[in-house]
Amino acid sequence: EIVLTQSPGTLSLSPGERATLSCRASQSVSNNYLAWYQQKPGQAPRLLIYDASTRATGIPDRFSGAGSVTAFTLTISRLEPEDSAVFYCQQYGRSPWTFGQGTRVEIK
Amino acid sequence: DVQLVESGGGLVQPGGSLRLSCAASGLSFSSYNMNWLRQAPGKGLEWLAHISTTSSAIYYADSVKGRFTISRDNAENSLFLQMNSLRDEDTAVYHCATSPAAGYCSSNWCYGPNWFEFWGQGTLVTVSS
Repeated sequence: EIVLTQSPGTLSLSPGERATLSCRASQSVSNNYLAWYQQKPGQAPRLLIYDASTRATGIPDRFSGAGSVTAFTLTISRLEPEDSAVFYCQQYGRSPWTFGQGTRVEIK
Repeated sequence: DVQLVESGGGLVQPGGSLRLSCAASGLSFSSYNMNWLRQAPGKGLEWLAHISTTSSAIYYADSVKGRFTISRDNAENSLFLQMNSLRDEDTAVYHCATSPAAGYCSSNWCYGPNWFEFWGQGTLVTVSS
């Protein structure tokens, strides 16, 4: 199965700053079939990005996804206090579908 | 608004069984593939089982294959997960989630887009003696 490794483990930034989250795959992710989710404490995950760079319905344009093959990034261009959460990447290029271990974003 | 509401969780002894349900509203349920995923306490997300719109294709993660059974009732807008032979490591919050009705699955693999768009809040299953 494809193993996804996310870095850093935790990101601590101030409001207005730019956050860059990394997701690296152990094998090529076909068709760039990669998604990003945001999960706040006690809540279900929320789909942010699919197909590596397509924003899901209702997601603000300060969230953007990029990358291909084995290296993908999620960028939050201007952090807001409500962005504090854990972010997960997920690949669906090859079954079984797998998730990264998550990156925690803390807002100072 | 789309709502997925899971129920049926609780405390069960190792080796026991439990049946989870997921009630869907606000969406055309029969137009979505459906999935069960779980999240152990303080841990990440794990996909478990997938069922196509008409139940013609079903696919499981190795961790639950042979113990868990996914099913759906489109007339009742409901998804189910029968869990047998439960183990301590099955303790988790179980979520149902939609995925696009696209691609192809056999019993051993799937191909095609499978992101998880709509999620339920989850139901807690605790396996302990």
